[in-house]
Amino acid sequence: NAGVTQTPKFQVLKTGQSMTLQCAQDMNHEYMSWYRQDPGMGLRLIHYSVGAGITDQGEVPNGYNVSRSTTEDFPLRLLSAAPSQTSVYFCASRKAGRTYEQYFGPGTRLTVT
Amino acid sequence: DAKTTQPPSMDCAEGRAANLPCNHSTISGNEYVYWYRQIHSQGPQYIIHGLKNNETNEMASLIITEDRKSSTLILPHATLRDTAVYYCIVRPPPMVSSGQNFVFGPGTRLSVLP
Repeated sequence: NAGVTQTPKFQVLKTGQSMTLQCAQDMNHEYMSWYRQDPGMGLRLIHYSVGAGITDQGEVPNGYNVSRSTTEDFPLRLLSAAPSQTSVYFCASRKAGRTYEQYFGPGTRLTVT
Repeated sequence: DAKTTQPPSMDCAEGRAANLPCNHSTISGNEYVYWYRQIHSQGPQYIIHGLKNNETNEMASLIITEDRKSSTLILPHATLRDTAVYYCIVRPPPMVSSGQNFVFGPGTRLSVLP
């Protein structure tokens, strides 16, 4: 299994541009989440999905959209990039169940100038 | 959700056991203790979790005190590759209605020294 994969690894955007961060998992996990991590801080939840067609907001959802058309993929869209969105973005997945045993991707480092 | 307290940093000699403490004095009866780590520039990695009993897997052991107010993650033979930030998180079982927020605090920065 490849686990959780993310593309691209690095991205530089200009303010106002839009883009999509890709996330895929091959473990047939029902739950997928997007987190951001800013320097010296912990991870903060942006959006999550409990299954295909079902998404919900996390702690910091503003400026981001998500959709979940398949079990495997959970893309994160930045609608109009702002410098405050400069961060490292991690995608995670887990099986439905009674624990938070999550598997994370390698991350996308985004810089907005 | 219960708050956790961890030392900001620790050192450990290579080959020795690394014992990482976590205080969670306000833990509720149904809350699990989770440990994750994050090696520099990588995504977080799940290590282990437990409710009441001590747990062991191929990576580590988790010792939870009888009153569940604190726990210790033990890496039995630390290597240089274990240098990372270690996060202790306490959460109840996930419920669809309660969302999926899983907050990582500042953690403990473990440095394994040669």
